[in-house]
Parts: sequence; structure tokens; C-alpha cells
Amino acid sequence: QKEVEQNSGPLSVPEGAIASLNCTYSDRGSQSFFWYRQYSGKSPELIMFIYSNGDKEDGRFTAQLNKASQYVSLLIRDSQPSDSATYLCALEGDSSYKLIFGSGTRLLVRP
Amino acid sequence: EAGVAQSPRYKIIEKRQSVAFWCNPISGHATLYWYQQILGQGPKLLIQFQNNGVVDDSQLPKDRFSAERLKGVDSTLKIQPAKLEDSAVYLCASSLGRTGSYEQYFGPGTRLTVT
Repeated sequence: QKEVEQNSGPLSVPEGAIASLNCTYSDRGSQSFFWYRQYSGKSPELIMFIYSNGDKEDGRFTAQLNKASQYVSLLIRDSQPSDSATYLCALEGDSSYKLIFGSGTRLLVRP
Repeated sequence: EAGVAQSPRYKIIEKRQSVAFWCNPISGHATLYWYQQILGQGPKLLIQFQNNGVVDDSQLPKDRFSAERLKGVDSTLKIQPAKLEDSAVYLCASSLGRTGSYEQYFGPGTRLTVT
């Protein structure tokens, strides 16, 4: 079973700061990685996906992938209280393309 | 565009009872997923359908869980008999295609409590 590890947090940052969320994975063959955001009591929603080594930016969000070190991270610039949520890292399985999720990191942005 | 619909939203049952959940995916989405999310954990895939065929059910406890997707649209997930450890949120999701390049859209979930 492929493993996806995340620090459960909470990660607490002040408003306006950069929040850095990290995820490591065990299967060196994994190719595709996803970040989902889940507000308390709500369903996950996709923020970003990344396939290639390096950085991918979308607005205030940047995903970073390092396949050699087997980690993927999500940076949130200019953090807002509305960013307070649990962030789930997921990777795509092989034959069925199923998503395997980590347990998530809870982010708190202090006003 | 209507999202993924699920019902009921909440269900409380006693252990050994049966329960069924219903999901209506986004129109045109060929792939449908059922996930189990236990409090404090990430979603775990139970079963994945492509149209009305099963793609992956490797983590479905088949002695008590069953799922079907008739006519490749709506789906039901059943638990019979329920155990205390089945208490979780059951999420249905759908996507246009199987691969990760197709975004999965999640429904609101059904929160199941087994007492």
C-alpha cells in the first residue's frame, strides 16, 4: 500500500504570512500529486495538481515537487483567515488511477 | 451545473443494522467513487466505477459492504451488518474520466454514526 505522510498540525501562521505544508510519500514510482482543501464539516475540493519536478504556481498557491526526495509541498502566500482548513495531499495510484490521501494538515491563520 | 448529490446527509443506526447511501453524480461524469473518511483521517477509496463497471474495489470490505451503479448513473452503497468502526463520513465523488488529470468533484457526504 502506498503511503502518504503529513504532519497533522495544527500549523498556525499569522495573517499575511507564508504557510508551508509538506507531504512525503513512499512509492518512488508515483507520478501525479494533488492538494485538496477541506473545511471543517465540508467535502474536499481540489486546489492544485502537479506532475513534474519543480514549482507550479496558481495565484497565491505554489506546489513544489521533488521526486528524488519524495516530497511535495504547498505554499500559500499572503495567508488569510479564510485559508484555515485541513489540507490533504494525495497521489495517484497506478493501474486504477485511484487517489491515495494523506491524513491532512490542519492550518490555522490568525487574524 | 448541479453538483454531486448524496442522501441522506446524516444517519444513526445501531450495530448489526443495515444502511444504504445514495449518490447522483454530475451529469456526464463516467467515473464514480465512494470514499470512507474516518474522523481525523483522509478519505479512503472504497470502490471506483467506470460507467457501470467496477474498476477498483480492493479496499471494500466485501463481507459487509456492497455497491452498485445501475445504468452507469446513480449509485448506492450498502452496509449490512454495520459495525461500530463503520462510523465515518461516506463521500461520493465523480469525474469525467479515470485518470488524475480529471478533477474529482465530491458530494456533501453522509455522516454515519453506528451505536
